[in-house]
Amino acid sequence: EAEVAQSPRYKITEKSQAVAFWCDPISGHATLYWYRQILGQGPELLVQFQDESVVDDSQLPKDRFSAERLKGVDSTLKIQPAELGDSAMYLCASSLRGLNEQFFGPGTRLTVL
Amino acid sequence: QQQVKQSPQSLIVQKGGISIINCAYENTAFDYFPWYQQFPGKGPALLIAIRPDVSEKKEGRFTISFNKSAKQFSLHIMDSQPGDSATYFCAASSENSGNTPLVFGKGTRLSVIA
Repeated sequence: EAEVAQSPRYKITEKSQAVAFWCDPISGHATLYWYRQILGQGPELLVQFQDESVVDDSQLPKDRFSAERLKGVDSTLKIQPAELGDSAMYLCASSLRGLNEQFFGPGTRLTVL
Repeated sequence: QQQVKQSPQSLIVQKGGISIINCAYENTAFDYFPWYQQFPGKGPALLIAIRPDVSEKKEGRFTISFNKSAKQFSLHIMDSQPGDSATYFCAASSENSGNTPLVFGKGTRLSVIA
């Protein structure tokens, strides 16, 4: 069964360090989303890609966060510098073009010390 | 402004009972309403979803009821089992606008006790 892959699964870092997360969506899924989920809350969108283009990054803290999907397949989300408040689960999801049925990966649990 | 309101925050149900979780939305442009199940440390898994052309959808023990006029939808889990203990999230999006992000409720922690 096709799945969204994410790595690493867990990341512990100190504040002011740089971190990067990787996502490989389900094959053929043109749309890729990065969500952030704070413990005890629902996921919230950070950035959405359609193929290699950003279509919504209105909630991405652009002073420290960046995201790319250069070839329209896998994607990287970077935080530099990390802050204590960035501790959360970072989830990647993908969907077919035109459908909002989104499938999530296992997430990356980030802890900033 | 929270666009999707979910209740209750937590729920305890006896094994074999019915679990009911409710959601209300504000944006009338929403036309796709999924439910996700999430276990600790895992990503959300799509459970069941409904679009407004029907008022009810059933898959196994899981049923979504949808009331367009009231802007409400609910998840019913029949014959609840201990393995159903997880956090459930409702969500909504506007599929007619193309691929759009999901707006999630705050989640319901379900505990099914024997």
